[in-house]
Amino acid sequence: GQQLNQSPQSMFIQEGEDVSMNCTSSSIFNTWLWYKQDPGEGPVLLIALYKAGELTSNGRLTAQFGITRKDSFLNISASIPSDVGIYFCAGLSTLGTYKYIFGTGTRLKVLA
Amino acid sequence: GAVVSQHPSRVICKSGTSVKIECRSLDFQATTMFWYRQFPKQSLMLMATSNEGSKATYEQGVEKDKFLINHASLTLSTLTVTSAHPEDSSFYICSVPANEKLFFGSGTQLSVL
Repeated sequence: GQQLNQSPQSMFIQEGEDVSMNCTSSSIFNTWLWYKQDPGEGPVLLIALYKAGELTSNGRLTAQFGITRKDSFLNISASIPSDVGIYFCAGLSTLGTYKYIFGTGTRLKVLA
Repeated sequence: GAVVSQHPSRVICKSGTSVKIECRSLDFQATTMFWYRQFPKQSLMLMATSNEGSKATYEQGVEKDKFLINHASLTLSTLTVTSAHPEDSSFYICSVPANEKLFFGSGTQLSVL
């Protein structure tokens, strides 16, 4: 199935550091979503973006909807140990059929 | 948003048996639900779109006779893995779209012996 390219694939960072990850696509999306998934659990929605150029924050998280509508970025500031997990981006495709396409994921590990 | 309840959270079964997974939308009337499959350390792959009162739409490569989907009401969709085999072992997650967001159940870990 179709997937979005997400980078980095994984990262180790020190507690307190800022984290950036991005998601790119060859297709245009009208909505971008960012999720965090803990082991053995379903993904939890972090941020939703609806307009090109939109910048939205949720606590220490900030995400942006790229101007080209083909990419999105997620930043985590001042990381803490509980930020550990897998982060997924997802784009809503409305071309043809209504479905969400997921990124390949970024595995984050925070060193205390 | 939508609160999504998925059961069971974990199931172990013998090869050749069938397993039913339930997905309930507790506070949102869901005409559509999505079923995903996730292998260890991989992303979510869409299996099928469940449509209330009509047939599900399956993604390419997903066997409709193997993964039976029923969406008989606005609050419940079920996925039945028929004649399960070890290669069907995976994490299955349902989700409900609401207001252009997607809300997930807690997932079902299926292990086929």
